[in-house]
Amino acid sequence: EAQVTQNPRYLITVTGKKLTVTCSQNMNHEYMSWYRQDPGLGLRQIYYSMNVEVTDKGDVPEGYKVSRKEKRNFPLILESPSPNQTSLYFCASSLGSYNEQFFGPGTRLTVL
Amino acid sequence: GQQLNQSPQSMFIQEGEDVSMNCTSSSIFNTWLWYKQDPGEGPVLLIALYKAGELTSNGRLTAQFGITRKDSFLNISASIPSDVGIYFCAGQLRNQGGKLIFGQGTELSVKP
Repeated sequence: EAQVTQNPRYLITVTGKKLTVTCSQNMNHEYMSWYRQDPGLGLRQIYYSMNVEVTDKGDVPEGYKVSRKEKRNFPLILESPSPNQTSLYFCASSLGSYNEQFFGPGTRLTVL
Repeated sequence: GQQLNQSPQSMFIQEGEDVSMNCTSSSIFNTWLWYKQDPGEGPVLLIALYKAGELTSNGRLTAQFGITRKDSFLNISASIPSDVGIYFCAGQLRNQGGKLIFGQGTELSVKP
């Protein structure tokens, strides 16, 4: 089944403890992106990647890192999480940057 | 940066009623998209609009790309309980690497 998977789905952590949220897609898509969803703000793009080893900042990149070493994986890294990064995170992928984006199921992160 | 204003924020309707929601922006977009998010899941694309003035239907859903390219609306006819969820509009610009700008969302509740 064609899909975008994220792990973990739920995570509670403490301030400053490094964490990684994984994202993987099995559709051979070139474009991948991370969004965060907050009440009243919709979804905002954190980082995106046009292809392997090509990444760029979205609208809210502060406090996040990404890497794209393989086409299928696009992990989101929080080196030193803070409470304002408590949010619902979505990974998305598409064939190209202007094709339909398919979203993963989301990762709910709480930083205490 | 670009912003989308989506209204209404929430709607409580009776099964069988028609629903209308819209998005406006101060920026011009090349593409307008409408997504639905079910509880605990990622957004799923409902309708994509690519040309100013375009009117597109998907079953009971109809969406239009405003002729000024700064707005779009989504209508749902004869609502049913499974229409419950959060609906997002999103705009996309051709020169911004595929980034989606999302509205704040409209939360729809349908009373059987």
